[in-house]
Amino acid sequence: NAGVTQTPKFRVLKTGQSMTLLCAQDMNHEYMYWYRQDPGMGLRLIHYSVGEGTTAKGEVPDGYNVSRLKKQNFLLGLESAAPSQTSVYFCASSLHGVVTEAFFGQGTRLTVV
Amino acid sequence: GENVEQHPSTLSVQEGDSAVIKCTYSDSASNYFPWYKQELGKGPQLIIDIRSNVGEKKDQRIAVTLNKTAKHFSLHITETQPEDSAVYFCAADPQTGANNLFFGTGTRLTVIP
Repeated sequence: NAGVTQTPKFRVLKTGQSMTLLCAQDMNHEYMYWYRQDPGMGLRLIHYSVGEGTTAKGEVPDGYNVSRLKKQNFLLGLESAAPSQTSVYFCASSLHGVVTEAFFGQGTRLTVV
Repeated sequence: GENVEQHPSTLSVQEGDSAVIKCTYSDSASNYFPWYKQELGKGPQLIIDIRSNVGEKKDQRIAVTLNKTAKHFSLHITETQPEDSAVYFCAADPQTGANNLFFGTGTRLTVIP
């Protein structure tokens, strides 16, 4: 039982490049989330999904897109990376929304140069 | 929106002593307050949570207290052990329906053997 798995774990991008971060969960959870973690700022919600085929904006959605084509997968895309998107990205999933335990992946450290 | 402040940012205690981390929140509609522990290189993990109809909750060496009137909640760890060393985050759910937990900025706890 792997829980929440993020791919890749590290990545360096040049400004303007695009990439997709993959999150997979094997707990049959309905809700999935993408957060970014920056020094001194805690975790901030980028986008989330309440079920297969649905997505919604979080607190800091600009510059990111997401897709949830399959219940177990939640993809985060950066179409044109900027240095301000240098961060650690965490995916999480939960059974019934934020008032139930969220299980986090190990994170993806992204550097945009 | 909700604003969660967390203090202190760093905390060092001797093994066996107690540690207290405090958080305040701004939105009186918030009614769910989880605490997450993040070990180095890992994603956050839920350690305890409290809902607004409860003033205190305890789980072995960990306890959380909530004062809704003053809008603050605290994490108490007794008989600290070296494995308690980690970054701790508080969070609040303002019940906006946006499935967004608002996180504090984190407390790095170091337990000195």
